[in-house]
Amino acid sequence: DMKVTQMPRYLIKRMGENVLLECGQDMSHETMYWYRQDPGLGLQLIYISYDVDSNSEGDIPKGYRVSRKKREHFSLILDSAKTNQTSVYFCASSRHNNQAPLFGEGTRLSVL
Amino acid sequence: GDSVIQMQGQVTLSENDFLFINCTYSTTGYPTLFWYVQYSGEGPQLLLQVTTANNKGSSRGFEATYDKGTTSFHLQKTSVQEIDSAVYYCAMRDVDSNYQLIWGSGTKLIIKP
Repeated sequence: DMKVTQMPRYLIKRMGENVLLECGQDMSHETMYWYRQDPGLGLQLIYISYDVDSNSEGDIPKGYRVSRKKREHFSLILDSAKTNQTSVYFCASSRHNNQAPLFGEGTRLSVL
Repeated sequence: GDSVIQMQGQVTLSENDFLFINCTYSTTGYPTLFWYVQYSGEGPQLLLQVTTANNKGSSRGFEATYDKGTTSFHLQKTSVQEIDSAVYYCAMRDVDSNYQLIWGSGTKLIIKP
């Protein structure tokens, strides 16, 4: 079953804490993405990964970093989270970068 | 630069009404165009895509025609149902943007029972 899995689905953190959002896919897709979604702003690309250790900044990378050490896993890290990083984060993957991405269910992050 | 415009932030219809969601795009290239649908509490999912100009995409009763002349990719459905309530995103992918998806701002469809 083709699926992108995000963990955790819900997370509450305090300002200044570190946050790790994990994403996995079992389709051997080359390209993986991290987006955030805020009301009225739609989907904004944070980072894109073209394969293991081949990551590029998206439109809003500030305050985030990513790690992709295995093709099937793509992590989003917030070092010292800020309240304005409260959002819903979506991971997605596609076989190649010119194909439509398949999205996960999202992680709802609250930074208090 | 490249852009995708969805002017309608929200559309409210009754069951069996005709749906029309506006989407226009701007690019100098030859993009692939997409419609994604996002149900409440879920991630966006691909509804349909069209790669070639003047072609039509269709899925689950929804249709969209890639009109290069008017640079539009409007989404239509003849008769909406309550289960169609969702947010609909138009998106574009072009080699000029290194194939990164450029998203519209989304249109929330509310179907009154």
